[in-house]
Amino acid sequence: SQQGEEDPQALSIQEGENATMNCSYKTSINNLQWYRQNSGRGLVHLILIRSNEREKHSGRLRVTLDTSKKSSSLLITASRAADTASYFCATDRGGATNKLIFGTGTLLAVQP
Amino acid sequence: DTAVSQTPKYLVTQMGNDKSIKCEQNLGHDTMYWYKQDSKKFLKIMFSYNNKELIINETVPNRFSPKSPDKAHLNLHINSLELGDSAVYFCASSQEGVAFFGQGTRLTVV
Repeated sequence: SQQGEEDPQALSIQEGENATMNCSYKTSINNLQWYRQNSGRGLVHLILIRSNEREKHSGRLRVTLDTSKKSSSLLITASRAADTASYFCATDRGGATNKLIFGTGTLLAVQP
Repeated sequence: DTAVSQTPKYLVTQMGNDKSIKCEQNLGHDTMYWYKQDSKKFLKIMFSYNNKELIINETVPNRFSPKSPDKAHLNLHINSLELGDSAVYFCASSQEGVAFFGQGTRLTVV
């Protein structure tokens, strides 16, 4: 299977704490993206990191990428109850197909 | 205005029936997709269209037939529904590799 793996599968933290999710993938990539899915909703794009980048920030989000280890991490700082959702990484190999391969997801629960 | 909209949101039907899910995007994107999310939340690509042409067909049973009348629409028709087809189906469009998803259609086959 081409599908990436994420860990942990589930994470429960208190408001104000940081949450770290990891993603491993199998093939070379053009970019890696993180998406968020609230219960019963569609996925929403959060951040994209290109294969030649090592770290990227967006607000309370910090993403790292290690192409030698084929892994990425998503850090959410100062978490809020509203951050409760499933988080997915997705890899794009580039080329004409624009095909995103999604990871298995991490379910984050932020307790108020 | 909703960027990617799909209808219906819920679909309950009996085995053997034929059903369609419609998708429209108003973002002006050239590429559209259908994804299937199973009960374990695994999200798998089914089809990809670029400017009305099929680009990706990920070994989906031929009971599933996508149709793109224009680049803003990508509909999914499913023949002879089976219990295993129960899932949430997401339509998406993309620009420069970033995907925008619809709210999903929860299909339940009984």
